[in-house]
Amino acid sequence: DTGVSQNPRHKITKRGQNVTFRCDPISEHNRLYWYRQTLGQGPEFLTYFQNEAQLEKSRLLSDRFSAERPKGSFSTLEIQRTEQGDSAMYLCASSGGTGGHEQFFGPGTRLTVL
Amino acid sequence: AQRVTQPEKLLSVFKGAPVELKCNYSYSGSPELFWYVQYSRQRLQLLLRHISRESIKGFTADLNKGETSFHLKKPFAQEEDSAMYYCASRPMNRDDKIIFGKGTRLHILP
Repeated sequence: DTGVSQNPRHKITKRGQNVTFRCDPISEHNRLYWYRQTLGQGPEFLTYFQNEAQLEKSRLLSDRFSAERPKGSFSTLEIQRTEQGDSAMYLCASSGGTGGHEQFFGPGTRLTVL
Repeated sequence: AQRVTQPEKLLSVFKGAPVELKCNYSYSGSPELFWYVQYSRQRLQLLLRHISRESIKGFTADLNKGETSFHLKKPFAQEEDSAMYYCASRPMNRDDKIIFGKGTRLHILP
């Protein structure tokens, strides 16, 4: 599968723990996006990278959230001191190359905070 | 601020009947409009975009700037159309984030 991949697919953690998710974009894509989707809602934008530069962060991204894309390839999203309200599906998307501006989505990481 | 509204959470339609999923947007500029679809146990994927003016899987959507609407239509529903549908918008800076509606679950009845 040469699409966007995300790991892990599911994560269950206790409140207060730190979690880290990984996204591997389509290899030729230079733009990478993180979205969050809660039950009954559409995906909501969190942050966006062009190569290794983080160009925009949503107000949804509190100080407990940090995202990196150190070499302009894969990206990680870390949530510190998780809260029950962080329970959601975290989606990654990438665009660029021959795909142009279309964003291709990964399968998501489902986070459950107990 | 950009906003996309999908008034129906669930739409049930008999097989062979016409389908219309409603979407309204609010944006001060000229956004790009999309419909995304998520079939059961599959990832979110682009169905169509207004600038392409194409029909995908029998679905079409016309941008009505006067009514700020981008409704999705199909003349004859098929069982495989059952899925979650999201209307979405993006400013004409095509690298920008996408704003999604809350989604409509389309259920095709046999």
